[in-house]
Amino acid sequence: DGGITQSPKYLFRKEGQNVTLSCEQNLNHDAMYWYRQDPGQGLRLIYYSQIVNDFQKGDIAEGYSVSREKKESFPLTVTSAQKNPTAFYLCASSIRASNQPQHFGDGTRLSIL
Amino acid sequence: AQKVTQAQTEISVVEKEDVTLDCVYETRDTTYYLFWYKQPPSGELVFLIRRNSFDEQNEISGRYSWNFQKSTSSFNFTITASQVVDSAVYFCALSEARFNKFYFGSGTKLNVKP
Repeated sequence: DGGITQSPKYLFRKEGQNVTLSCEQNLNHDAMYWYRQDPGQGLRLIYYSQIVNDFQKGDIAEGYSVSREKKESFPLTVTSAQKNPTAFYLCASSIRASNQPQHFGDGTRLSIL
Repeated sequence: AQKVTQAQTEISVVEKEDVTLDCVYETRDTTYYLFWYKQPPSGELVFLIRRNSFDEQNEISGRYSWNFQKSTSSFNFTITASQVVDSAVYFCALSEARFNKFYFGSGTKLNVKP
């Protein structure tokens, strides 16, 4: 079945450690997105990519990095510079057009040890 | 300024009641798209509906209906005869034609009690 796979489902980070969240899609979508969701809040855009080898910062990119080497994959690294990384992270993808809905993965819950 | 406002943080109803979730948006574009998503406790956002700015027809899908009014910049979502399975967080989102990014509201948590 086509869809978006995020892994791991739960992740724990130690102080000073970088961690990478995986996002893979087999929907043949050009555009991919990373969002952060804090308890009781909406989604905030971290990074997005419209095409392979290109990506743009969203509203809260500081402390995060991404790469887009393959169409299917858009991994997110939470660096040690992100001082408050505890949140629910959602990856999405869509056809590259503003009228197309975004399709979401199941999310990764990141906590600090 | 918030592009999408969902003023209702949390709503609780008893099963079989009707409930309306409000969404107000702000844009200067003439071409834009509005979306509703459902986020059940499992966490994944599920796409429910898309409406473009040129189509103000209301839409009904089973127990769900949507009321789009450009005059008030609103795109409200009504669930008729609510069920416990409707309990979730519901998000409204705006996409402007110039950009391929979504602006999400802060969500409304709906609790449907048996």
